[in-house]
Parts: sequence; C-alpha cells; structure tokens
Amino acid sequence: NAGVTQTPKFQVLKTGQSMTLQCAQDMNHEYMSWYRQDPGMGLRLIHYSVGAGITDQGEVPNGYNVSRSTTEDFPLRLLSAAPSQTSVYFCASRQSGTYEQYFGPGTRLTVT
Amino acid sequence: GQQLNQSPQSMFIQEGEDVSMNCTSSSIFNTWLWYKQDPGEGPVLLIALYKAGELTSNGRLTAQFGITRKDSFLNISASIPSDVGIYFCAGPNQAGTALIFGKGTTLSVSS
Repeated sequence: NAGVTQTPKFQVLKTGQSMTLQCAQDMNHEYMSWYRQDPGMGLRLIHYSVGAGITDQGEVPNGYNVSRSTTEDFPLRLLSAAPSQTSVYFCASRQSGTYEQYFGPGTRLTVT
Repeated sequence: GQQLNQSPQSMFIQEGEDVSMNCTSSSIFNTWLWYKQDPGEGPVLLIALYKAGELTSNGRLTAQFGITRKDSFLNISASIPSDVGIYFCAGPNQAGTALIFGKGTTLSVSS
C-alpha cells in the first residue's frame, strides 16, 4: 500500500491564481481530512469528509473548497490564492470506527 | 470550541534524559492520540488511548489517559537524538467526524 499520497510536494503561486492540491489514499478509508500547519499554530482543520459525496467545514475553511467524488480522492482547491495561504498542507485518512489517522507527506505552498 | 493545550511549547534536553509533556483541555475527550512529526515529514501516530486511566507504552514512550478525561501525558525515557521533532496530542471533535490537534511540543536533543 502507498498509504496517503499528496501532490505536488512544493508549489509557488502568485496572488489570485488558482490550484488544486491532490490527495489520494489506497486503504479504503471512509474519513479524510485536510489540515494546514503554520509555525506555532499546530495543525488546523480546513475541511473533512466522512465518505464519498459528504464534506464539511473545519476550523479554517475560508478560501478553500473540497469535494469527494470517490472514496480514494479528496482534492483541496484554492480558487484565488492569497499570501495568508502560504503554509504546509497535510491530508489524512482513517477507517470509520477508529480515530487512528494516517497522514500524507505534505504540500509546501508559497503564495507571493 | 474544543481546544487542546500542550505544554511545554519547547524543550531542550541532553541525550539520555527523560522527557515529560502534557496536553489539557476544558472539554472531555474519549480518545487521546499522540503523534510525532519529523522535520519535513507528515505526523506519525505513536500511541492511542481509549480509556480513562489507561497507561500504554510503545518502546521508550509511555502515554497516559488522565482520570478526568481532560488531560493526557507523554513520557519519553532515555532520550536519543532521533527523538527530535514535534509531538502533537489529538482528540476527536464533538461530532467524532475529525481530529483536532494541539499546537505541539518541539523537542531538541543534544548529544
């Protein structure tokens, strides 16, 4: 199993550009989440999904969209990037019935 | 909303020393998890705790689920250089649909 994979690993955007951060898992996990990590702020929940077709907002959802059309994929979209979205983004997944969550390697995003 | 408060924020220790860190909340949690993040990597699960009072070990790491359900502790014995990283506590949100995380304890070990 590859586990949780994320692409790209690094990305630089200009303010106002859009992009999609990809996340995929091959463990057939129902639950998937997106977090952003900023220095001194820990991991903050952006959006999460409890299954295909079901998503909900986390602590810091503004400026981000998600969809979950398949169990495997959970992309995160930035419609109009802002410098405040410069961060490291982590995707994670887990099986229902457990809280043991597995993380991807992260995407480091810089918005200039 | 729910918040997890970790302390200390950072620690600088010598190789061989024991380390203790904790996580507290004003809310009750039914599950506590401890993760470690190496530089440039994603967090990795170390220990999961499911019952109040539970004490669980993973090698040199020992974690405890507080009796009040509002705190948890992580101890590392005989630290080594590869223990360097950020340690996060985590617990489920009120709906049980996602995990929330503390801000982390950064550990530095000098040899």
